[in-house]
Amino acid sequence: SYELTQPPSVSVSPRQTARVTCSGDALPRQYVHWYQKKPGQAPVLVIYTDTKRASGIPERFSGSSSGTTATLTITGVQAEDEADYYCQSAESSGLSWVFGGGTKLTVL
Amino acid sequence: EVQLVESGGDLVQPGGSLRLSCAASGFIFSTYWMSWVRQAPGKGLEWVANIKQDGSEKHYVDSVKGRFIISRDNAKRSLYLQMSSLTVEDTAVYYCARARYEMLTGYYFENWGQGTLVTVSS
Repeated sequence: SYELTQPPSVSVSPRQTARVTCSGDALPRQYVHWYQKKPGQAPVLVIYTDTKRASGIPERFSGSSSGTTATLTITGVQAEDEADYYCQSAESSGLSWVFGGGTKLTVL
Repeated sequence: EVQLVESGGDLVQPGGSLRLSCAASGFIFSTYWMSWVRQAPGKGLEWVANIKQDGSEKHYVDSVKGRFIISRDNAKRSLYLQMSSLTVEDTAVYYCARARYEMLTGYYFENWGQGTLVTVSS
């Protein structure tokens, strides 16, 4: 089955830049979307269609995608950004959807 | 304001059945794809199933094919997930999600409910 690969964890100091990567063979042909998940809360859409920021999401969040790797970048990380981040995309067929394993962002 | 409220989660024995519901408000329900996504304890998010606006197209993750059925009632603005032959691996918080699905944007989960807990245990 199709898989998206994310690093299990990323740590960064406040006001620094955090980058979370997501790799998958079908990414050159399929869009990537990103979600923030905090414990006990519903997931929140952060970035959709590779680069578009969702409504209400701060400008410090941005997305990019090149080849088989997509990247979520948080510029000027704040303590409130500490959360799990998940990428999501589709298989090449476009009829099955998958999430990456998630990346725990720790703000030191 | 978009609101999605799940219900129906419960403790059920292995092999049992359960029906989840999701009540939608704040948007024109009949014009959106809808989905179920779950998160097992200590695990990541997993897409489970989705359904087209008129119910004519449905898709499932391989692990639930033949056991789960997604459906909707546009008149009642409600989404359902009928789950049968449940196993301990189905234990999770189940989220209802409003989706966007267009060729130019791909398929993504725009709004989420707070989730309902399904526990499969003897």
